[in-house]
Amino acid sequence: GAGVSQSPRYKVTKRGQDVALRCDPISGHVSLYWYRQALGQGPEFLTYFNYEAQQDKSGLPNDRFSAERPEGSISTLTIQRTEQRDSAMYRCASSLGHGRNEQYFGPGTRLTVT
Amino acid sequence: TQLLEQSPQFLSIQEGENLTVYCNSSSVFSSLQWYRQEPGEGPVLLVTVVTGGEVKKLKRLTFQFGDARKDSSLHITAAQPGDTGLYLCAVRGGADRGSTLGRLYFGRGTQLTVWP
Repeated sequence: GAGVSQSPRYKVTKRGQDVALRCDPISGHVSLYWYRQALGQGPEFLTYFNYEAQQDKSGLPNDRFSAERPEGSISTLTIQRTEQRDSAMYRCASSLGHGRNEQYFGPGTRLTVT
Repeated sequence: TQLLEQSPQFLSIQEGENLTVYCNSSSVFSSLQWYRQEPGEGPVLLVTVVTGGEVKKLKRLTFQFGDARKDSSLHITAAQPGDTGLYLCAVRGGADRGSTLGRLYFGRGTQLTVWP
């Protein structure tokens, strides 16, 4: 079966523009997670959902970042008024159920803000 | 401060050598995971250790969880170029953290390069 997919794979945007990053989890996976990863470092948690409910958004850096998963499947991470410091790899992961199941990571979206 | 400290940050060795990488913390965890990430890909789970003192083997990889469940090590025997990648340790939010249960906290990783 298909793994976690993300689009676009690469996004270059100008400072001040809004961007929307999409994550399509593995079919049937209840939990969906967003992470941000700097080059050569481990992923840093942003937010996660169980079904359509956002369970924890404590990792979102500021109010320019938001995420939604309206039908409990596909999720969108939106960054408004992008800044250069937002440049990073944004990774999505999904897992079968709450808490302790293995998380499967997608290939990521490389965001570059110029 | 980082919850998980990984060392060394970089490791470059020849094929056939043995190596050990470490993941340390001052906190106690109910379980700890190791991931490997290859260039251009997302992290892939290698193993989860749950019991203090536990040793798990995955072919040439040996994982150990410290007796006090604060640290872990990964030992690779006879490294091969295919072992090249970023090795990450991670822990989940503890049971007493409520809604943070699902999130993972990662260390900064050890970047391993194995030369033929």
